Amino acid sequence: SAVISQKPSRDICQRGTSLTIQCQVDSQVTMMFWYRQQPGQSLTLIATANQGSEATYESGFVIDKFPISRPNLTFSTLTVSNMSPEDSSIYLCSVAAGPNSPLHFGNGTRLTVT
Amino acid sequence: EDKVVQSPLSLVVHEGDTVTLNCSYEVTNFRSLLWYKQEKKAPTFLFMLTSSGIEKKSGRLSSILDKKELFSILNITATQTGDSAIYLCAVGLNTGTASKLTFGTGTRLQVTL
Repeated sequence: SAVISQKPSRDICQRGTSLTIQCQVDSQVTMMFWYRQQPGQSLTLIATANQGSEATYESGFVIDKFPISRPNLTFSTLTVSNMSPEDSSIYLCSVAAGPNSPLHFGNGTRLTVT
Repeated sequence: EDKVVQSPLSLVVHEGDTVTLNCSYEVTNFRSLLWYKQEKKAPTFLFMLTSSGIEKKSGRLSSILDKKELFSILNITATQTGDSAIYLCAVGLNTGTASKLTFGTGTRLQVTL
């Protein structure tokens, strides 16, 4: 399966600031997704990162808060904007080779907002 | 609303025991059911199931899907301390060109000596 590198691995940020998380894949992938896991919760899909077009956001997530870029088939970024303590979570990049392929995850970014 | 429910929420077993983890689902447009192991941050893929009654096996782990009763089980035999983790069940949905996952809340397994 693809090797997915995500950085930073962790960060502690002040409220009101923004953080950009990078996801690099060692091969071209069709599908790339961003998930969030709040403390003690399961994974929730934020958005599908579409190559060359705007991301598709799930209910409850908006582009102004979580802008996403995907300039090519191997790279994507997720920005968490104007952070508050409620944004403290693990953010996970994930990829799939196709709709019938399993999803594989990057190593995750643990974000703490103070 | 799509729902994936896992049970038990947590359990503690002794090394060598066999455990069965449960996952039931209520979703529209079912495509597949997946199991993941989460030890730190990143979930690690274990199995993907699409057909009823066909057991998938990898070492001491095995899983089976029942599409009529809408559930799956994950079995771990001869448990080891390294099996301690959160086990996540997720259902893949048919959404046009994408396969999105809806996750359950997970089962936290602790294996003690």
